[in-house]
Amino acid sequence: QKEVEQNSGPLSVPEGAIASLNCTYSDRGSQSFFWYRQYSGKSPELIMSIYSNGDKEDGRFTAQLNKASQYVSLLIRDSQPSDSATYLCAVRLSNDYKLSFGAGTTVTVRA
Amino acid sequence: DGGITQSPKYLFRKEGQNVTLSCEQNLNHDAMYWYRQDPGQGLRLIYYSQIVNDFQKGDIAEGYSVSREKKESFPLTVTSAQKNPTAFYLCASRKGNTEAFFGQGTRLTVV
Repeated sequence: QKEVEQNSGPLSVPEGAIASLNCTYSDRGSQSFFWYRQYSGKSPELIMSIYSNGDKEDGRFTAQLNKASQYVSLLIRDSQPSDSATYLCAVRLSNDYKLSFGAGTTVTVRA
Repeated sequence: DGGITQSPKYLFRKEGQNVTLSCEQNLNHDAMYWYRQDPGQGLRLIYYSQIVNDFQKGDIAEGYSVSREKKESFPLTVTSAQKNPTAFYLCASRKGNTEAFFGQGTRLTVV
C-alpha cells in the first residue's frame, strides 16, 4: 500500500465550477497534511496546510481533514483557467521527518 | 532574501559519470529533502536529513548519495550506479511541523 494516494486524473472542470481533489494516507499517526500546486516545469508551491480534523478555508480553497478515515481533500471553488496545474498531496508521517507525496492530480479548467 | 537555491538549473551527464547537485538554504531550517520527479509523475523521496551529519534513505535511494556537513547544505550525488537518472530533481527544506519550501529544481539529462 502506498503511503499517500490521490484520485487519478486528469480532472477537467468548466470555469466557475468546483474542483474536488482527494487524498488518502496509510499512516494513522500522521499529523501534518499539505496541498501543493505545481505548474508544468516549475517547483511545487504551497496552497494549504491542515493539522486538525475539519475544514480550513483560504480564499477559493478549502482543505478538509478526516483523520479517522485517513482522508484529506481539497476543494477549489469558482475554478479559473489559472488553476490549471497538478495538485500534490503531502503527508508528514508520524514520529519521523519523512514527508511523502502522492502522485498528483492534474486539473484542467476549461474556459 | 531567504530561500533555497539549487544549482545548476540544467545538468548533462555522460554514461558512467558521477554528478553532484547543489542545494543551499538560508532559512535556518533543520530538515532537508531530495525528491525525484519523472514526467507526469509525483515526487519520490530519495534522501532526507533532520540534523547535521545524519540522513535517512527515502523510497528510491539506490544509486544516490548525500552528505549533511552543514545545516545550510545538502548536496546530492547521482552515481554511475543510477541507471536511469534523467529526471527533475527537487530539494526542499522545512522547520518543525511546518510546510516544506522548494528550490527551483535541477533538470538532469543523460547524454
